Amino acid sequence: NAGVTQTPKFRVLKTGQSMTLLCAQDMNHEYMYWYRQDPGMGLRLIHYSVGEGTTAKGEVPDGYNVSRLKKQNFLLGLESAAPSQTSVYFCASSSVAVAKNIQYFGAGTRLSVL
Amino acid sequence: DQQVKQNSPSLSVQEGRISILNCDYTNSMFDYFLWYKKYPAEGPTFLISISSIKDKNEDGRFTVFLNKSAKHLSLHIVPSQPGDSAVYFCAASGWGSQGNLIFGKGTKLSVKP
Repeated sequence: NAGVTQTPKFRVLKTGQSMTLLCAQDMNHEYMYWYRQDPGMGLRLIHYSVGEGTTAKGEVPDGYNVSRLKKQNFLLGLESAAPSQTSVYFCASSSVAVAKNIQYFGAGTRLSVL
Repeated sequence: DQQVKQNSPSLSVQEGRISILNCDYTNSMFDYFLWYKKYPAEGPTFLISISSIKDKNEDGRFTVFLNKSAKHLSLHIVPSQPGDSAVYFCAASGWGSQGNLIFGKGTKLSVKP
């Protein structure tokens, strides 16, 4: 059971570089989320999507963009990376039919911006 | 301002004893609460949840208690096992929030053999 898969697992960027983090889920979930976790902090919501073709801002959206072209994929983009975006990024998904509040998480992407 | 607070960054418990993890919230619109468990280098894993219409939910060794008047919930683990050693996050969501969760900062539980 793959569940929620995030790629890549690790990445080092230089300030100003761009990159895209990919999240894929095979559970046919409608909702998908991107969070970041910083040391000593809880997870904070960056962006989320309630369905294919729709996205919305979360608590900390600045500096990030997202796209949900297919139901199973949710992409997080950093157009011009900054050291403040060094963090661990988690993707999650949930089902409206079962319990939309219960989110299932990927293993995370550790990003360092130098 | 934190809407979900876990005031104890860490907790150490002896194997076989009870572990009690606490969580406070400030937003009275929250109507669903969850506990997640996280091991190092892994994503959070759902553990147990409770709706605001209940005051207790049990699943095996794990029980969550909700005190709405005090805006407080707690997770009880009985008996505690070394494999329970992890960071535990409390999370909350409100009606109409489209499933968005607000997380606490987490409590690191260490269960000593």
